[in-house]
Amino acid sequence: AQKVTQAQTEISVVEKEDVTLDCVYETRDTTYYLFWYKQPPSGELVFLIRRNSFDEQNEISGRYSWNFQKSTSSFNFTITASQVVDSAVYFCALSEIYNQGGKLIFGQGTELSVKP
Amino acid sequence: DTGVSQDPRHKITKRGQNVTFRCDPISEHNRLYWYRQTLGQGPEFLTYFQNEAQLEKSRLLSDRFSAERPKGSFSTLEIQRTEQGDSAMYLCASSLDRDRPYEQYFGPGTRLTVT
Repeated sequence: AQKVTQAQTEISVVEKEDVTLDCVYETRDTTYYLFWYKQPPSGELVFLIRRNSFDEQNEISGRYSWNFQKSTSSFNFTITASQVVDSAVYFCALSEIYNQGGKLIFGQGTELSVKP
Repeated sequence: DTGVSQDPRHKITKRGQNVTFRCDPISEHNRLYWYRQTLGQGPEFLTYFQNEAQLEKSRLLSDRFSAERPKGSFSTLEIQRTEQGDSAMYLCASSLDRDRPYEQYFGPGTRLTVT
């Protein structure tokens, strides 16, 4: 069965701290995509990154970095030098390739609060 | 192109009434998805269209729910005989499967409150 678990419900940090959001997934498929989305207070989900299961190379985009480890079924997201504007709910999601529709299976989300 | 749009943004209705939501995807996107998000939870898949064909429906989509995408462009989601449990945010997303498969772009959502 496919499942995404984000064990951290809420995280609170002070501006400029680094923070890591955890994501663990379960899938029976060997080929799949993983995603991170950001949902700010306005409510609209914003796409951040997509990785496929064959590419375990870590990725960095500005202050954001992602660590994909297939051996532990984890796809963690780190924000370096956090800012108040990073405050949002972050969702990790999975899409299995055999499912040609590409539906996303989301975790419960982690609410990040960055205080000045 | 301004992205995925949804209308209305908010809807308050009384139990037992019917409601209809509209989603306009990004213009060249051939896939369209509906999700439901309740407070404190991640979005849950409801259904998806490839062009005008509805190809998958979740078990969450009871008989009271129906979705259409008549010309492969905009889509509507109708809920008949609403119940308080239908109160949620209804999200629409679209994607283009040719170049960047499964990369879905979401609209702002329609928040439904059933009283």
